[in-house]
Amino acid sequence: QVQLVQSGAELKKPGSSVKVSCKASGGSFSSYTILWVRQAPGQGLEWVGRFIPFFGTANYTQEFQGRLAITADKSTRTVYMELGSLRSEDTAVYYCARATTGYPDQWGQGTLVIVSS
Amino acid sequence: LLTQSPATLSLSPGDRATLSCRASQSVSSYLAWYQQKPGQAPRLLIYDATSRATGIPARFSGSGSGTDFTLTISTLEPEDFAVYYCQQRSDWRLTFGGGTKVEIK
Repeated sequence: QVQLVQSGAELKKPGSSVKVSCKASGGSFSSYTILWVRQAPGQGLEWVGRFIPFFGTANYTQEFQGRLAITADKSTRTVYMELGSLRSEDTAVYYCARATTGYPDQWGQGTLVIVSS
Repeated sequence: LLTQSPATLSLSPGDRATLSCRASQSVSSYLAWYQQKPGQAPRLLIYDATSRATGIPARFSGSGSGTDFTLTISTLEPEDFAVYYCQQRSDWRLTFGGGTKVEIK
């Protein structure tokens, strides 16, 4: 059974960066895409980007181009999402999820990122 | 763009729930439905418009293709009161609908 375990909550200053990790246990690490989705307080779900372990490539939604990087360490089966130039609007719960059906179907527990001065 | 309606659905346990998701352009059958409860990650219910995900009860069903999709919960159980989201993957830029909250009447 695949489990995704994310790093703990973060409190960051505006303009700084945050790096959230997502460690996969069980199953094949390289077989499925890892997606990142965020949810601002009281709001809906927003897709952030994805990492394809088989190719080692990442794609990001236009809104985050230039300040988002999704990388992975295959040796530790961990995917990282680093978001820079943080602003208050980036305050959200960030989820990683694995897509075994083509859709995010195995989710991490979420990481709360608070951006505040 | 995915538009869900209604925003809120007030129903009683045992009722039938019908949730709608409309796409601004065709997404073929590349549409999923999720359930989310407070403080929890979303849970995949339906993928590719009509296929139930592993472990999802038969009272959940999906229909539609192209631009108009429906999630039906045949008989609401107390644990079904939650927020439901649709999501498309017709291209690699996934998008979600704004959600429908199913609340107890």
